[in-house]
Amino acid sequence: NAGVTQTPKFRILKIGQSMTLQCTQDMNHNYMYWYRQDPGMGLKLIYYSVGAGITDKGEVPNGYNVSRSTTEDFPLRLELAAPSQTSVYFCASSYTGGVNQPQHFGDGTRLSIL
Amino acid sequence: QKEVEQNSGPLSVPEGAIASLNCTYSDRVSQSFFWYRQYSGKSPELIMSIYSNGDKEDGRFTAQLNKASQYVSLLIRDSQPSDSATYLCAVGRDYKLSFGAGTTVTVRA
Repeated sequence: NAGVTQTPKFRILKIGQSMTLQCTQDMNHNYMYWYRQDPGMGLKLIYYSVGAGITDKGEVPNGYNVSRSTTEDFPLRLELAAPSQTSVYFCASSYTGGVNQPQHFGDGTRLSIL
Repeated sequence: QKEVEQNSGPLSVPEGAIASLNCTYSDRVSQSFFWYRQYSGKSPELIMSIYSNGDKEDGRFTAQLNKASQYVSLLIRDSQPSDSATYLCAVGRDYKLSFGAGTTVTVRA
């Protein structure tokens, strides 16, 4: 019962470095999402995908990129890391993305940019 | 105006009391409503979903929805120390969710 798995759990980056946050789900969910959560704030949608090969921007996409080559995987790429990207990143998935489908979350990646 | 607003916390309640959490939303065509519980340092965990006006009960939790007033609430009855967490209200339209900032609840023994 893995559900949504995110790696790494923690990472420290230097300003200007790049990295990829990994997300995989084993529930055969079509819809996948990336959020960031800053201290004391709700979750902000970065990117989402409605199926393999299809991605779209959310509320805060600047500085990030995504790809979706398989149903299971939805990696998030940070290019030229900036201190403003210090946050906790959550990946989530849902079965059909329909209006009544709740989203299931991974354990998160805590990222610090120094 | 924020899309989803929750009553500011923190909310402190004695063990055994009722905790009442409120949430308002701005998008009139919102279709689904969820409450997530988030323990410190952990990921959000779905505890309630509601889609039509009225009340929905699940154990010690009751969600209430009033679409005309654009209001959704969560009641936690017989509060336990294990209920101490941040509660996130999420409002869905199409296949995306908008989250409130959360209300932190502390249940004191």
